Amino acid sequence: DAGVIQSPRHEVTEMGQEVTLRCKPISGHNSLFWYRQTMMRGLELLIYFNNNVPIDDSGMPEDRFSAKMPNASFSTLKIQPSEPRDSAVYFCASSPEPGYTDTQYFGPGTRLTVL
Amino acid sequence: QQQVKQSPQSLIVQKGGISIINCAYENTAFDYFPWYQQFPGKGPALLIAIRPDVSEKKEGRFTISFNKSAKQFSLHIMDSQPGDSATYFCAASKGGRRALTFGSGTRLQVQP
Repeated sequence: DAGVIQSPRHEVTEMGQEVTLRCKPISGHNSLFWYRQTMMRGLELLIYFNNNVPIDDSGMPEDRFSAKMPNASFSTLKIQPSEPRDSAVYFCASSPEPGYTDTQYFGPGTRLTVL
Repeated sequence: QQQVKQSPQSLIVQKGGISIINCAYENTAFDYFPWYQQFPGKGPALLIAIRPDVSEKKEGRFTISFNKSAKQFSLHIMDSQPGDSATYFCAASKGGRRALTFGSGTRLQVQP
């Protein structure tokens, strides 16, 4: 079975440009999470969707960041305009119906470099 | 506000030894405590998890010990192997809010 799919795997852009990261969760999973990983701040939650609806976006750094989930099989994280401090690895994770395990399955990540 | 504190930051263990990583949490509403393993260039993957109704959970060489009164939990890796070399993250979540709060990570190196 295919796991969580993220694209692109690597993105290099210049400050001020728009960046769009994409995620395809595991089929049948109803929760989707976007995390950001940096050396300074570790792994931090940006936003969490349940059944395509944003439930908690308190981790979104500022208005430059936006996330959408138009359907159960696709989500985007957009940064506009991008800044060098946005450089990080962005992970998407998905999880099935709430249950005892609450396991989150992470994608391979997108390494973003903003010059 | 760091809700889950993890230590040590790095750990070097000889092959066959025991690796111990500790975490402490602040929010008593947390009710799910997983450990994730991350290899370079990969996303984190669930290793083992525990709920606060038990004090210990063992899966193969990996054991979580949980102390609810002290708000602490730890990961023990028995008979550590070079293939265990990775970064380990403890995490916590609370019912109704399934997003994870992660610790800062421990880079484990198991020397042959």
